[in-house]
Amino acid sequence: KQEVTQIPAALSVPEGENLVLNCSFTDSAIYNLQWFRQDPGKGLTSLLLIQSSQREQTSGRLNASLDKSSGRSTLYIAASQPGDSATYLCAPPGPGNTPLVFGKGTRLSVIA
Amino acid sequence: DAGVTQSPTHLIKTRGQHVTLRCSPISGHKSVSWYQQVLGQGPQFIFQYYEKEERGRGNFPDRFSARQFPNYSSELNVNALLLGDSALYLCASSLFGGKSSYNEQFFGPGTRLTVL
Repeated sequence: KQEVTQIPAALSVPEGENLVLNCSFTDSAIYNLQWFRQDPGKGLTSLLLIQSSQREQTSGRLNASLDKSSGRSTLYIAASQPGDSATYLCAPPGPGNTPLVFGKGTRLSVIA
Repeated sequence: DAGVTQSPTHLIKTRGQHVTLRCSPISGHKSVSWYQQVLGQGPQFIFQYYEKEERGRGNFPDRFSARQFPNYSSELNVNALLLGDSALYLCASSLFGGKSSYNEQFFGPGTRLTVL
């Protein structure tokens, strides 16, 4: 069974700070992992897909790393902005044909 | 290109009723998955369909069913609605249905279902 834990559950930072969101998962036999952003009451926006053969993936101010052996992924956000305020979810695949398994996410508030 | 679309946006039903939610995947995507997200939780997997066949099922009761049409759009049906079925229902599409490292999931805006 795949279980996902994200720490911290909530985070409030001033604008301009660099920050790290942590994700741990119990089943390391994964073929990829995705990071998503969700605004309140909205759908999920895919931020980054890290393939199992990769250790890092970058998109703009976002950088995600993956360490399969330890069951961890981190999302680094550089120079945070108020528009980054949202809930961030990491999702590895699950057992069988379960495409994605989610934790509760990290709710980020960036204060101007 | 249009992303994943879902209809309706919002829906209010009463206990015991039936509901049908619809999803159109990104053009060229052949796999559709459904997720339920209750307030304060991450999405939970319900079904995956690929090439019109069920490929995966999450831990949901038989009141939940789905199907995929020849144009790869999909419907999620829920019978005998309970108060606990109130949630945001999300649809995701992807190119493949299998365990490919390239298989990125793209989500629609969701359908907010309220059961009274």
